[in-house]
Amino acid sequence: GAVVSQHPSRVICKSGTSVKIECRSLDFQATTMFWYRQFPKQSLMLMATSNEGSKATYEQGVEKDKFLINHASLTLSTLTVTSAHPEDSSFYICSARDPGGANQPQHFGDGTRLSIL
Amino acid sequence: QKEVEQNSGPLSVPEGAIASLNCTYSDRGSQSFFWYRQYSGKSPELIMSIYSNGDKEDGRFTAQLNKASQYVSLLIRDSQPSDSATYLCAVNNIRTGGFKTIFGAGTRLFVKA
Repeated sequence: GAVVSQHPSRVICKSGTSVKIECRSLDFQATTMFWYRQFPKQSLMLMATSNEGSKATYEQGVEKDKFLINHASLTLSTLTVTSAHPEDSSFYICSARDPGGANQPQHFGDGTRLSIL
Repeated sequence: QKEVEQNSGPLSVPEGAIASLNCTYSDRGSQSFFWYRQYSGKSPELIMSIYSNGDKEDGRFTAQLNKASQYVSLLIRDSQPSDSATYLCAVNNIRTGGFKTIFGAGTRLFVKA
């Protein structure tokens, strides 16, 4: 099946640091990728939809200037958490839709565990 | 009403038993339905897709879809301790510009050895 790679898997950094997370579709082109956040023992929360060559679509309540998304190619989307603070500590997961069609499932990367000290 | 509803659990079953996980959805126009498994600390992994009414079997897993009742379920036969995880139901709905995937909050399954 479709494979999505996410890097890094774990980040620990000081408050005020900006952190970039990469999401790659390894064997297919993904015009759309998705970014989720998940706090411990809570459900997935969609943050934004990343569109290749155009602006990302953010969900209500997600700060665009805080979470910068760049989808510069058909295989790479990046999420940058700018000036991260302890409350941004979470599990960030990207996904891409199966290339078989618009009605196909999403495949997830392994996630990035972000810890802000 | 949530768009995709699941019982949060935990659902506890003995090893070897059948685990039955249920999901209801509100949008009658929903097109496709998925089950994901998420182990603690890991990202979700797709285990089943179902698009038409009836049953779909894959190994120990069977997905069941009833569009009239807006209900989708996942049966796990011969449950193993390694099946202990959170199971997410997901539904694709048509929205302006394409499909949107709505995830349920998940049901925690615990298989006792």
